[in-house]
Amino acid sequence: AQSVTQLDSQVPVFEEAPVELRCNYSSSVSVYLFWYVQYPNQGLQLLLKYLSGSTLVKGINGFEAEFNKSQTSFHLRKPSVHISDTAEYFCAVSDWQGAQKLVFGQGTRLTINP
Amino acid sequence: DSGVTQTPKHLITATGQRVTLRCSPRSGDLSVYWYQQSLDQGLQFLIHYYNGEERAKGNILERFSAQQFPDLHSELNLSSLELGDSALYFCASSLRALTDTQYFGPGTRLTVL
Repeated sequence: AQSVTQLDSQVPVFEEAPVELRCNYSSSVSVYLFWYVQYPNQGLQLLLKYLSGSTLVKGINGFEAEFNKSQTSFHLRKPSVHISDTAEYFCAVSDWQGAQKLVFGQGTRLTINP
Repeated sequence: DSGVTQTPKHLITATGQRVTLRCSPRSGDLSVYWYQQSLDQGLQFLIHYYNGEERAKGNILERFSAQQFPDLHSELNLSSLELGDSALYFCASSLRALTDTQYFGPGTRLTVL
C-alpha cells in the first residue's frame, strides 16, 4: 500500500518569494505522482503529474516538481509566488499496478503575504 | 469550470437518513471517481467506475454504494447516515485511466445533524 506525507501543514511566504512544498511517499512498487491545488470553496485542479521519463516535471501556473526516487520525494516548487497562489496543495500517489486509486497527503496550506 | 457537475451543492439531513449524490462527468470521459474530504480524515478515495463497471474501491463504508449508468453519470448513495459522514464529497472524471488527468467537480457538502 502507498502512503504520502506532506511535511508542512502550513507554509507562509511573502509575495514574489520562492516556495517549496515538500512531499514524501512510501511504496513497495513503482508509482505515479501528482500535485493538486484546491482554491477556497472549489474542487481540486491538477497542477502536474509524473508518470515516467524526465524527473523534472513542469506544470501550470509556473509550478514544477522533481521526482527523486532514492529519497522517495516529489517536492513542488515555484520561483516567485503571487497572492493568487494562496490555496491548499495536495500531493498524491498511485501505483503502476493499475489500482486506479489515488492516495492523498494531508495537504499544505500555502498563504502568500503581501 | 472543469466540466464536471455535481448536484446538489449542499445537503442537510438527519442521522439515520439516506441521500443520493449525483455526478455528471465531462463529455467523453468514461471514468468517474468519488472522494470524501473531511477535516479529520483528509481527502480519501472512495470508488472508481469505468464505463459502468466498478474498477477500484477505497475506504468506502458498507453503508455507501455507488453506480455508473449507461449515460455515464454516477450516483453515490449514503445510507444510515451518521454525524461522522458530514463531509465534502467530490466526483472526478477522466478519459479512461488513472494516468489521464482527473477533472474534479465543485463537490457536494453534506451536513448530518
